[in-house]
Amino acid sequence: GQQVQQSPASLVLQEGENAELQCNFSTSLNSMQWFYQRPGGSLVSLFYNPSGTKHSGRLTSTTVIKERRSSLHISSSQTTDSGTYLCAPPSSNTNKVVFGTGTRLQVLP
Amino acid sequence: ETAVFQTPNYHVTQVGNEVSFNCKQTLGHDTMYWYKQDSKKLLKIMFSYNNKQLIVNETVPRRFSPQSSDKAHLNLRIKSVEPEDSAVYLCASSMGGRNTQYFGPGTRLLVL
Repeated sequence: GQQVQQSPASLVLQEGENAELQCNFSTSLNSMQWFYQRPGGSLVSLFYNPSGTKHSGRLTSTTVIKERRSSLHISSSQTTDSGTYLCAPPSSNTNKVVFGTGTRLQVLP
Repeated sequence: ETAVFQTPNYHVTQVGNEVSFNCKQTLGHDTMYWYKQDSKKLLKIMFSYNNKQLIVNETVPRRFSPQSSDKAHLNLRIKSVEPEDSAVYLCASSMGGRNTQYFGPGTRLLVL
């Protein structure tokens, strides 16, 4: 079945530094979605990215379907960016969604 | 093989009405979720629930409420629907909040 690996598993930054989060998946997909999970558990959708690059504020998502990878770039990190970042293929074509293992980000003041 | 069942498949209603969507899973999971999928295909989690804890996404309007009779059922009630509630609502389940979630086929809501 589909496996989704994320790296790094955890990351500690000083406020203002940039972060690059990677997501690799084992089988072909049509797109990738990134989520942010706050400490305490609620999930927030960040990007739905079929391919190419998308921007939202300080966040940039790049998906290369042929290479089975997607990345999330956070520029000028802030303490409020701390939390867990999850990637997952959206559920429109399958009844099972495998979330990635997650990257736990901590941004220090 | 479908193991997360949702009813109805499709529902059309008018502004101000109350609607209720049903979800049942036969996987023996202990955690269930409701997502809203918008026109851009983004999945936005609304609730996650197990027999110990309900986690609510704070952006969900109060007219939405989850209802659970047991760990295999998690229904979604919308008290007074508004046009922006038109979307596909997806139910999912997992064991203990682990990585894999199994989704139902969705309920498409159209608010006129």
